[in-house]
Amino acid sequence: NAGVMQNPRHLVRRRGQEARLRCSPMKGHSHVYWYRQLPEEGLKFMVYLQKENIIDESGMPKERFSAEFPKEGPSILRIQQVVRGDSAAYFCASSRKTGVGGYTFGSGTRLTVV
Amino acid sequence: KQEVTQIPAALSVPEGENLVLNCSFTDSAIYNLQWFRQDPGKGLTSLLLIQSSQREQTSGRLNASLDKSSGRSTLYIAASQPGDSATYLCAVQEDQGAQKLVFGQGTRLTINP
Repeated sequence: NAGVMQNPRHLVRRRGQEARLRCSPMKGHSHVYWYRQLPEEGLKFMVYLQKENIIDESGMPKERFSAEFPKEGPSILRIQQVVRGDSAAYFCASSRKTGVGGYTFGSGTRLTVV
Repeated sequence: KQEVTQIPAALSVPEGENLVLNCSFTDSAIYNLQWFRQDPGKGLTSLLLIQSSQREQTSGRLNASLDKSSGRSTLYIAASQPGDSATYLCAVQEDQGAQKLVFGQGTRLTINP
């Protein structure tokens, strides 16, 4: 059981480029959540997905950010035209069913925009 | 809107001491509360999960209590060790159907040898 796998661990992008963050949930988990942690702050919910469906994106910025969880393959968090304020740690979590048994988090992707 | 607060923001104690970390939440109607540990530059490790119907959970030297009516949880660490140094986060889930966890900002704990 490899746990929740996120890659890359570290990502450096220049302003205006696109960032793609990947998350593979734990085996048997069909629910994926993305959180963002800004420097010296707690984690903030961004989006909740099930296979091929976005269930709750209430925490996603309205522009430049998108997420998907295709039928095959990992969940992707995409940030277009990155700005310095996007620099943060992005964590993915997965669960078997909503709210049951807690969540398992990945190690995160640390995005630095230069 | 649920808000989670953790006090203190940072704590430094000598090795061997017992200590208590505090977490409070504004809306007592929660489904569960979870304590996590985060090491610098790393992800989150789940320590204890307390369902709303439970009063406490124990794992080794860790004990977490939950008082829903007063909106409080405490994490008790017995006989602290330098390896316990990390940031401790509490998070609440508001109902079974809710997908998101609401996190506190964490307590940064340093155990001095």
